[in-house]
Amino acid sequence: GENVEQHPSTLSVQEGDSAVIKCTYSDSASNYFPWYKQELGKRPQLIIDIRSNVGEKKDQRIAVTLNKTAKHFSLHITETQPEDSAVYFCAASANQAGTALIFGKGTTLSVSS
Amino acid sequence: DGGITQSPKYLFRKEGQNVTLSCEQNLNHDAMYWYRQDPGQGLRLIYYSQIVNDFQKGDIAEGYSVSREKKESFPLTVTSAQKNPTAFYLCASSMRATAFYNEQFFGPGTRLTVL
Repeated sequence: GENVEQHPSTLSVQEGDSAVIKCTYSDSASNYFPWYKQELGKRPQLIIDIRSNVGEKKDQRIAVTLNKTAKHFSLHITETQPEDSAVYFCAASANQAGTALIFGKGTTLSVSS
Repeated sequence: DGGITQSPKYLFRKEGQNVTLSCEQNLNHDAMYWYRQDPGQGLRLIYYSQIVNDFQKGDIAEGYSVSREKKESFPLTVTSAQKNPTAFYLCASSMRATAFYNEQFFGPGTRLTVL
């Protein structure tokens, strides 16, 4: 089945710096790749997603890139702020219908001011 | 997110007891999911259901059971066969069981502790 690897497990940056989190997946049939943000004690929330027919997607300070040939995708956060501090999870769809997501183990991002 | 609820927020169970976690959604979503979250392990899929009266095992289904008798409800039973049940359990739902509508909305979670 699908396997998703996420790196790094922890990331510390200074306010204003950029942060990059990378994920690889194993199933070439995967076609949907969301990123979730989970603040301490709260539920995960979708921040951005990308489908296999595009290579990059941006939403203000966050962007996601996808390389289907290499089977990896990345989350880029620019001009980081303290409120970006959270755990970030990548995920990939486990089958053609894209119904069940397989998540990476998460990256704890700390932004210090 | 306000349309998906889980209860209780905290649950304590003695070893050897079964316990059922509730998940309800009023979003008219077809698909529902159960995940287990442990520190450093991310979210691991237990079961998911694409439609009423149908459900599929995820990666860690052993020791768990589910039912989907109504579209709005997807309860999870943690049985005594689950060897290490202490964890944070998250329920989620998505609009359609197709690739195009796969954004999953999560409930607030239930923290289960086995005493």
